[in-house]
Amino acid sequence: AQTVTQSQPEMSVQEAETVTLSCTYDTSESDYYLFWYKQPPSRQMILVIRQEAYKQQNATENRFSVNFQKAAKSFSLKISDSQLGDAAMYFCAYRNNAGKSTFGDGTTLTVKP
Amino acid sequence: DVKVTQSSRYLVKRTGEKVFLECVQDMDHENMFWYRQDPGLGLRLIYFSYDVKMKEKGDIPEGYSVSREKKERFSLILESASTNQTSMYLCASSTPQGGRNTEAFFGQGTRLTVV
Repeated sequence: AQTVTQSQPEMSVQEAETVTLSCTYDTSESDYYLFWYKQPPSRQMILVIRQEAYKQQNATENRFSVNFQKAAKSFSLKISDSQLGDAAMYFCAYRNNAGKSTFGDGTTLTVKP
Repeated sequence: DVKVTQSSRYLVKRTGEKVFLECVQDMDHENMFWYRQDPGLGLRLIYFSYDVKMKEKGDIPEGYSVSREKKERFSLILESASTNQTSMYLCASSTPQGGRNTEAFFGQGTRLTVV
């Protein structure tokens, strides 16, 4: 069974600074997807970024980028130029070929003005 | 835009009641999921369905059942609600692997309190 570990229950960052959220996973599969989701106080889960395991290039979406290390089974999220609206809980998720997703426990990000 | 709609945002039920949580998606997605979210435990999969009338147990199916009679609708049933089922419930849908949209789309969540 796959497991996803987010070792940082809480993180904080100063507005306009950069923060990195950590995620590691365990799997014996070679083909899978990884995701970061954001859950603001409204509770709506929003996709932040996705990474296909077969792609070596790290995914980037505006201020959000990932550092995908397949051999190390690591998938960290970097948020650049942090904004107040980035404050939320962030979940790392692994999706296997059968479409089943496993989520980490989440990291609560606080952005200080 | 993909829309996943859960029938209630807040629900209060009594112990022993039969509870139905409804979820509807409008993107013709084959896959639908029910998760439970508790502080410090992340999202845990209760049940999922790959097609109409098909269902598979997730990681914590005990005390729950599901129904998928139509492709767009996936219901979670608490046969006899208990206080330890007080939680946030999230529904999600997705296309099969290989489709363009491989991520899961979530509803807004139902916060269920069992008293």
